[in-house]
Amino acid sequence: GQNIDQPTEMTATEGAIVQINCTYQTSGFNGLFWYQQHAGEAPTFLSYNVLDGLEEKGRFSSFLSRSKGYSYLLLKELQMKDSASYLCAPSSNDYKLSFGAGTTVTVRA
Amino acid sequence: EPEVTQTPSHQVTQMGQEVILRCVPISNHLYFYWYRQILGQKVEFLVSFYNNEISEKSEIFDDQFSVERPDGSNFTLKIRSTKLEDSAMYFCASSGKGDGGTEAFFGQGTRLTVV
Repeated sequence: GQNIDQPTEMTATEGAIVQINCTYQTSGFNGLFWYQQHAGEAPTFLSYNVLDGLEEKGRFSSFLSRSKGYSYLLLKELQMKDSASYLCAPSSNDYKLSFGAGTTVTVRA
Repeated sequence: EPEVTQTPSHQVTQMGQEVILRCVPISNHLYFYWYRQILGQKVEFLVSFYNNEISEKSEIFDDQFSVERPDGSNFTLKIRSTKLEDSAMYFCASSGKGDGGTEAFFGQGTRLTVV
């Protein structure tokens, strides 16, 4: 089964840093994806963690602790275009990617 | 850049009618998925498909739903006897591998409105 928990909303100013936390309980856990979804659009891939630790990709970084069932997505140097919903998505070996409810990030000037 | 394409982008149907949503996955991908997102809610898994059969399905995916890969390129979702609560955005996705370690690429979705 799946139990994914992430904050509903976060607000930050342009140029700032925001960290979106996600806790999960996933049977047959394989790895954890983060997706970005702008309103009315499809989710787009941001990052994937399978091993513990930090994966950095430009302004975005993602961290995973398998033993704690915990991940975070770090957004640095926030830009207005980063205003979107960020979806925590644990994957399991049964060909299924399950999404959390998403964290809506609003970037203000 | 390869992409997943879905048709139609919008579909309006009367309650009780059947609809078929179409998807063309990325050509060398082997795993296909359907998700739905009711307005304002989270993206929900419906079904995954591999090697011409369903690999996994959620409790949402009951007898009202079916999937098919009628040829080498299309992947369809059929919804029979549509209900008002079936109104949602339906996303098709595909991935190269099904081991949970490869990202799924999503199509732009079909917005289904049942009236």
